[in-house]
Amino acid sequence: EAGVAQSPRYKIIEKRQSVAFWCNPISGHATLYWYQQILGQGPKLLIQFQNNGVVDDSQLPKDRFSAERLKGVDSTLKIQPAKLEDSAVYLCASSLGGRGQETQYFGPGTRLLVL
Amino acid sequence: AQKVTQAQTEISVVEKEDVTLDCVYETRDTTYYLFWYKQPPSGELVFLIRRNSFDEQNEISGRYSWNFQKSTSSFNFTITASQVVDSAVYFCALDSNYQLIWGAGTKLIIKP
Repeated sequence: EAGVAQSPRYKIIEKRQSVAFWCNPISGHATLYWYQQILGQGPKLLIQFQNNGVVDDSQLPKDRFSAERLKGVDSTLKIQPAKLEDSAVYLCASSLGGRGQETQYFGPGTRLLVL
Repeated sequence: AQKVTQAQTEISVVEKEDVTLDCVYETRDTTYYLFWYKQPPSGELVFLIRRNSFDEQNEISGRYSWNFQKSTSSFNFTITASQVVDSAVYFCALDSNYQLIWGAGTKLIIKP
């Protein structure tokens, strides 16, 4: 069974530029998550989708971050414009069922460096 | 409030030693789930175990074992006969009230 796919693996941009990340979850997984992980810290949930609906985006900085999951499968996360403090690893995860208490499986992440 | 504490920031042992990673959690819910994930230098979070609050049996999987004690709100992880490939950051997480709460992680260094 294929795991969670993410691209790109690495991205370097200058502040105020835009960037987009892509995620393809495990086939059949209804729930998709985007996390931000700053070096030395645990992951921080940015947004959670169930199918193509948003379940939780309470920690998403909506003035600069946006995410979509149009067909209930793959998803994109965009930052526009980027700030220095956005330098982090962006992790995508998916789980089989609906909200809560399901095992989340993670992709390899995208390492973003904002200069 | 829900909280996960991994008090050990970094542990360094010599290969073949046993090592225990501590995890203490706080929740008022009676139904909850506990997880351990491994994050090697490559960055991907690898799922290790999921345990629900009603199952206090210890679990063993090869060199890995987990000790769940509700009385002390702990879910500790032991690696027996550690190997260099076990070097990683290990995260404990609590799923309570439909939120996944992460500990800060413990960096484990296994020296040859």
